[in-house]
Amino acid sequence: EPEVTQTPSHQVTQMGQEVILRCVPISNHLYFYWYRQILGQKVEFLVSFYNNEISEKSEIFDDQFSVERPDGSNFTLKIRSTKLEDSAMYFCATQGGLAPIYNEQFFGPGTRLTVL
Amino acid sequence: KNQVEQSPQSLIILEGKNCTLQCNYTVSPFSNLRWYKQDTGRGPVSLTIMTFSENTKSNGRYTATLDADTKQSSLHITASQLSDSASYICVVSGSNDYKLSFGAGTTVTVRA
Repeated sequence: EPEVTQTPSHQVTQMGQEVILRCVPISNHLYFYWYRQILGQKVEFLVSFYNNEISEKSEIFDDQFSVERPDGSNFTLKIRSTKLEDSAMYFCATQGGLAPIYNEQFFGPGTRLTVL
Repeated sequence: KNQVEQSPQSLIILEGKNCTLQCNYTVSPFSNLRWYKQDTGRGPVSLTIMTFSENTKSNGRYTATLDADTKQSSLHITASQLSDSASYICVVSGSNDYKLSFGAGTTVTVRA
């Protein structure tokens, strides 16, 4: 069964450093999302991406964050200068279509980001 | 602000017993409601997805109900198994943007 994969599974970085989290979507999926979950808290929407551009973003997704699909396969989330409060689990999700019957979002296993 | 509230926050049940989890939402306009199961340290996995016209949907031992008029949903777990121990998250999608609004989840612990 097709699945979303994410790398790395765990990333430890120093405050102020740049990190890139990678996601390989399910083949033929067209809509991509990033979510984060701070330990013990609920999952929060960060950004949605379609047709090589951001379709929606939350207030969390500030100028320190960016997304791209550089090679038509990987979908990446970049944090330019990490802060302690960026420590969280980051989930990628992908979706085949926007019609309700098709808008099942499939989540990856997540990348745990720890900022020291 | 669109909100999704779940109750209880956590519960403990004995293996083989049933339980029901509740979800109230204020998302409007409404597109669909999903229940996800999230094991510790893993990504959420979809259990059910319902549009406003659906009242109930089952997936094995999981049965979800939806009352779009009162903006309430429930997830019933029948004959619980140890593997049901997880966080169950109610997620609502609005028809304007398809952005998902997550509840905080109910942590279910099944004990032998």
